[in-house]
Amino acid sequence: GAVVSQHPSWVICKSGTSVKIECRSLDFQATTMFWYRQFPKQSLMLMATSNEGSKATYEQGVEKDKFLINHASLTLSTLTVTSAHPEDSSFYICSAGAPQNQPQHFGDGTRLSIL
Amino acid sequence: DQQVKQNSPSLSVQEGRISILNCDYTNSMFDYFLWYKKYPAEGPTFLISISSIKDKNEDGRFTVFLNKSAKHLSLHIVPSQPGDSAVYFCAASAGTNFGNEKLTFGTGTRLTIIP
Repeated sequence: GAVVSQHPSWVICKSGTSVKIECRSLDFQATTMFWYRQFPKQSLMLMATSNEGSKATYEQGVEKDKFLINHASLTLSTLTVTSAHPEDSSFYICSAGAPQNQPQHFGDGTRLSIL
Repeated sequence: DQQVKQNSPSLSVQEGRISILNCDYTNSMFDYFLWYKKYPAEGPTFLISISSIKDKNEDGRFTVFLNKSAKHLSLHIVPSQPGDSAVYFCAASAGTNFGNEKLTFGTGTRLTIIP
């Protein structure tokens, strides 16, 4: 069964809306969670690394004020796309860091469509 | 700057035959390599990994080969089955604790198994 739950799976909203995406690790505590973005037929691009209890680390070119990340507990990280615009439409995927020598587990992703 | 490349965007293989997916990387700091399988609208599912100190790792029908001098790895699936049809991503990590290190993904190869 799924060990990482991502919600919602699909969001359609108007331009200017803020959208929150949740990522939960179900069977283990994850001190580190990762947020990726995938454009159609392209690779998964890391947006930021979310560390429990501290500020997220953003990759170059990712606006931290646009993509707010909160990792308030060992099982939950959230990504909020603030004032979303059509160019933010994409597939967002989270993963949860695993114990030593275990692979990261990915959520099923959130398809965000901004009209 | 695409540090992990999968030069074949698609591959078609007859059921029962061997599927070979290739991946090249440029960053010599990468220590661990992973293969993920992805269906549309789902998150990646871990398949198999290999450490940079090894040149081969096998798990059932899946074998990953690493040629460190050539900065090249490949995934062999034998025999190929219809359920193997998906997009395959190779990913690389610059740390041995790959469960908690950020992953750099290739662009993916869409594998189609022909019954």
